[in-house]
Amino acid sequence: AQSVTQPDIHITVSEGASLELRCNYSYGATPYLFWYVQSPGQGLQLLLKYFSGDTLVQGIKGFEAEFKRSQSSFNLRKPSVHWSDAAEYFCAVNTNAGKSTFGDGTTLTVKP
Amino acid sequence: DTEVTQTPKHLVMGMTNKKSLKCEQHMGHRAMYWYKQKAKKPPELMFVYSYEKLSINESVPSRFSPECPNSSLLNLHLHALQPEDSALYLCASSQFLSGATSYEQYFGPGTRLTVT
Repeated sequence: AQSVTQPDIHITVSEGASLELRCNYSYGATPYLFWYVQSPGQGLQLLLKYFSGDTLVQGIKGFEAEFKRSQSSFNLRKPSVHWSDAAEYFCAVNTNAGKSTFGDGTTLTVKP
Repeated sequence: DTEVTQTPKHLVMGMTNKKSLKCEQHMGHRAMYWYKQKAKKPPELMFVYSYEKLSINESVPSRFSPECPNSSLLNLHLHALQPEDSALYLCASSQFLSGATSYEQYFGPGTRLTVT
């Protein structure tokens, strides 16, 4: 069975600083990896995805993520955080059957 | 149109009530999903429909009854719920299910359900 670990429950960064959110996955086959963002009381919005090919993927809102198979990681990065980036971030892995497993999430707080 | 809509936004129901949640998408997606999300927790998969047929049921109690009347609509019928069923219920859709690959899911804003 697949699993996802997000080691950081809560991260605080200053506006304009860089950000890295960690994600480690466990899955026996080719992983389909996603990062989603959720603002309070809202649904999830897809930031980016990795299926195959280039291991550095670009997403919306200036986010990028790097897939590292040797480390089973898919970390999310942003060079300069904006106050509007404060939200909950979920990493997820999909199976071919469409079943998604989410990490427990990382809450991002942005200091002015 | 890349939107998944859900109604109602909020729902308060008693333990003896029967109510339904509705989800709609017009992206031509053939897979649709129900998730349950408790506060400060990740979404938990409940059901998956593929081509209007139930594909995955994650051992959800029978007081939750899904229905997919057509490729654009997904309902979740609720009956005799318990207070612990109070949560945000999210609907999502994706292109389709394939044994060869996977597709990203588009989520609706959710229905905030409170069971009293």
